[in-house]
Amino acid sequence: DAGITQSPRYKITETGRQVTLMCHQTWSHSYMFWYRQDLGHGLRLIYYSAAADITDKGEVPDGYVVSRSKTENFPLTLESATRSQTSVYFCASRVGERASPLHFGNGTRLTVT
Amino acid sequence: GESVGLHLPTLSVQEGDNSIINCAYSNSASDYFIWYKQESGKGPQFIIDIRSNMDKRQGQRVTVLLNKTVKHLSLQIAATQPGDSAVYFCAENNNNQGGKLIFGQGTELSVKP
Repeated sequence: DAGITQSPRYKITETGRQVTLMCHQTWSHSYMFWYRQDLGHGLRLIYYSAAADITDKGEVPDGYVVSRSKTENFPLTLESATRSQTSVYFCASRVGERASPLHFGNGTRLTVT
Repeated sequence: GESVGLHLPTLSVQEGDNSIINCAYSNSASDYFIWYKQESGKGPQFIIDIRSNMDKRQGQRVTVLLNKTVKHLSLQIAATQPGDSAVYFCAENNNNQGGKLIFGQGTELSVKP
């Protein structure tokens, strides 16, 4: 089963460049999420979306932009990458708002030089 | 337990022994809890969940115990195998935060053959 697919798996970019991380899910889940994972900070929520065209900020949204024109896609854009955005980024989806598990993709490892 | 600083708590067990991983959660309003397993280079994988109206739930080789009085969650793995080596996270669903999951820092389980 395809589940959630993230691309690319690895990305190296330079400070100041724009970069977009892609996320695609095949379950038609309503909710989608973007997390970053850093040593010492665990998983931190960047943005989430309750449905197409509905997005909201999480814990660490600064420097990121999201869109959700279709239910199955939830791209994350770093408008002007900074070294502090070097991290592993995980996309996740959830069938409903509460009381159901998030299902994660395998992540994108982003390095900003 | 929860991590302090940059180092995850580590639990080392012998193959075949039972493992118990603990987690303290933060909010008495949380009503749903999940355990995830994360292997190196992969996204978190759902293991088992429990709602706050229960104090125990069993899966295949895993049991989750919930003690709401002391806000404590544990994951028990029976007959631990080398393939169980991973980082384990607990997550709580806090109704006061729009249903967003809050993740613990994780515990690294190391299984010795």
